[in-house]
Amino acid sequence: QKEVEQNSGPLSVPEGAIASLNCTYSDRGSQSFFWYRQYSGKSPELIMSIYSNGDKEDGRFTAQLNKASQYVSLLIRDSQPSDSATYLCAVNKNTDKLIFGTGTRLQVFP
Amino acid sequence: DAGVIQSPRHEVTEMGQEVTLRCKPISGHDYLFWYRQTMMRGLELLIYFNNNVPIDDSGMPEDRFSAKMPNASFSTLKIQPSEPRDSAVYFCASSGTNMGSTDTQYFGPGTRLTVL
Repeated sequence: QKEVEQNSGPLSVPEGAIASLNCTYSDRGSQSFFWYRQYSGKSPELIMSIYSNGDKEDGRFTAQLNKASQYVSLLIRDSQPSDSATYLCAVNKNTDKLIFGTGTRLQVFP
Repeated sequence: DAGVIQSPRHEVTEMGQEVTLRCKPISGHDYLFWYRQTMMRGLELLIYFNNNVPIDDSGMPEDRFSAKMPNASFSTLKIQPSEPRDSAVYFCASSGTNMGSTDTQYFGPGTRLTVL
């Protein structure tokens, strides 16, 4: 079992819809959770971090964490073609290291 | 700040040659991470430094790989000899400290390495 698992996609959604990206992790001791966005040919950039159970909203983005289910998700409201990218889930087990999933490719079509 | 700087951006070399990748972290950051990204394996941590000291090199694939951080503003990742399976994008990232642990990691633009 991989430490951080994501569906590779592609996840295709129409413009204006809600995109839902999911991530599961194996270590119950994980403390911090991050979503990075990576455009093709570019480097990952942080878009959201979440540390406690529940929802965290930032503009069109909402991160959701459920530690009991070892599940973290990212919702993108009013999806735009510019949101088309690969979204990487990363988990910190209270060390200095981030463990990344392999990413979900999101395609938003007009 | 200019962000994390990496050089070269692209490197094409022949099998058996030595390759050196360079990274300048964001000023004031005390953590530096080297990652490798491939389609098959995703983003893998190779090694990381804290205050110029290597902390965890368990991700370094073989003895052919080595990394140094001689000062707070410079790090190198060296592959000697290089092999075709080393072809990948190599990212350097840096972060500061928040509450005694690493904070948000900021990635450089990456070096795309092709070994023929």
